[in-house]
Amino acid sequence: AQKVTQAQTEISVVEKEDVTLDCVYETRDTTYYLFWYKQPPSGELVFLIRRNSFDEQNEISGRYSWNFQKSTSSFNFTITASQVVDSAVYFCALKGYGGSQGNLIFGKGTKLSVKP
Amino acid sequence: DAGVIQSPRHEVTEMGQEVTLRCKPISGHNSLFWYRQTMMRGLELLIYFNNNVPIDDSGMPEDRFSAKMPNASFSTLKIQPSEPRDSAVYFCASSLGEGGQGGNQPQHFGDGTRLSIL
Repeated sequence: AQKVTQAQTEISVVEKEDVTLDCVYETRDTTYYLFWYKQPPSGELVFLIRRNSFDEQNEISGRYSWNFQKSTSSFNFTITASQVVDSAVYFCALKGYGGSQGNLIFGKGTKLSVKP
Repeated sequence: DAGVIQSPRHEVTEMGQEVTLRCKPISGHNSLFWYRQTMMRGLELLIYFNNNVPIDDSGMPEDRFSAKMPNASFSTLKIQPSEPRDSAVYFCASSLGEGGQGGNQPQHFGDGTRLSIL
């Protein structure tokens, strides 16, 4: 069975603070893919990043960075110098390889509130 | 570039009525997905198509729900008859598919349809 756990239901920070959103996953597949999506208050789901299971390099994109560690089955997301516009619900998702395991399994999401 | 287009954005209807949600995927994408989002259950996959063929409909809650994809640029999700518990946000997503399973390509979501059944 595949599962994604986002233990933090809600996080509140003050602007310019750094914040890390945790994501832990479970899968028996040796090949799999991890994703992060952002859902701002307007409701749409925005793709942020994809990671393959065989590529453990961390990635940085502006103020966003992602730390993928297979040893702990984690794919954490850090926002540096947070801004009010970062306020949203962030979803981590897992996709296995092949068959119905090709479906995206979403975590419950972490609601991030960045206060001015 | 046009993203995934869903219509209507909002739908309010009375219990028992038929509801049809529409989706136009991104041109060139051959996998299409329908999701439902509720506070209680989060994001759930209802059904997905690859090359217009339904691949997995195990998430469709009941026979009241049906989905079609008559061509590569259009899909519908129909609820008949609708019930108050069907109230949710319904998302359509599309992606480039590989090997008939959607591969590792990211899914791009539409803005969703907020459905309220009274």
